[in-house]
Amino acid sequence: GAGVSQTPSNKVTEKGKYVELRCDPISGHTALYWYRQSLGQGPEFLIYFQGTGAADDSGLPNDRFFAVRPEGSVSTLKIQRTERGDSAVYLCASSLFTSSGELFFGEGSRLTVL
Amino acid sequence: AQSVTQLDSQVPVFEEAPVELRCNYSSSVSVYLFWYVQYPNQGLQLLLKYLSGSTLVKGINGFEAEFNKSQTSFHLRKPSVHISDTAEYFCAVSDRPGNTPLVFGKGTRLSVIA
Repeated sequence: GAGVSQTPSNKVTEKGKYVELRCDPISGHTALYWYRQSLGQGPEFLIYFQGTGAADDSGLPNDRFFAVRPEGSVSTLKIQRTERGDSAVYLCASSLFTSSGELFFGEGSRLTVL
Repeated sequence: AQSVTQLDSQVPVFEEAPVELRCNYSSSVSVYLFWYVQYPNQGLQLLLKYLSGSTLVKGINGFEAEFNKSQTSFHLRKPSVHISDTAEYFCAVSDRPGNTPLVFGKGTRLSVIA
């Protein structure tokens, strides 16, 4: 499709398990962002890639969270030893390297940690 | 660091009535402002943006916003709302346009009543 694709759309896991969330950005978009949206809150920045490298990972809450983008396209957000507080919708967005400032968002992956 | 305050968490309004959703940002030398909308079960999409130039910005679906530097505000307005405008609206700010993480407010839920 033409938009940002995120899989899975829903993920239920148990506390302590490992989870991977995938983002397929719009073709040709060099920048990719991960946000987390908890209930009743706005999107909270986690990490931003320019190409293959993480340009800014200051939003990752702790070392249980990690993200990769090995070929500069698809990205995977990895969460180790999940906790109930990790339950949220994880949003991915991509953008062109322009000055327009517009981010194109996927529909998100809803993570529930039991 | 930039921050955004959306003063109203919920705004109910009757169909065909005007609406204003308020947004204030933390002051900065340069600021770039955005409004995103999130319809139920959909990803965020850009409504409008202010990067420079005219302080009155027009967006999609009849929405507009005015950048007011002295009041550090970027309120969103629509003169006559429709049922289909029912959604969550997010104000966001950046101090550099393009390829930089946006900082989002907590959102305002607009409910249009028939």
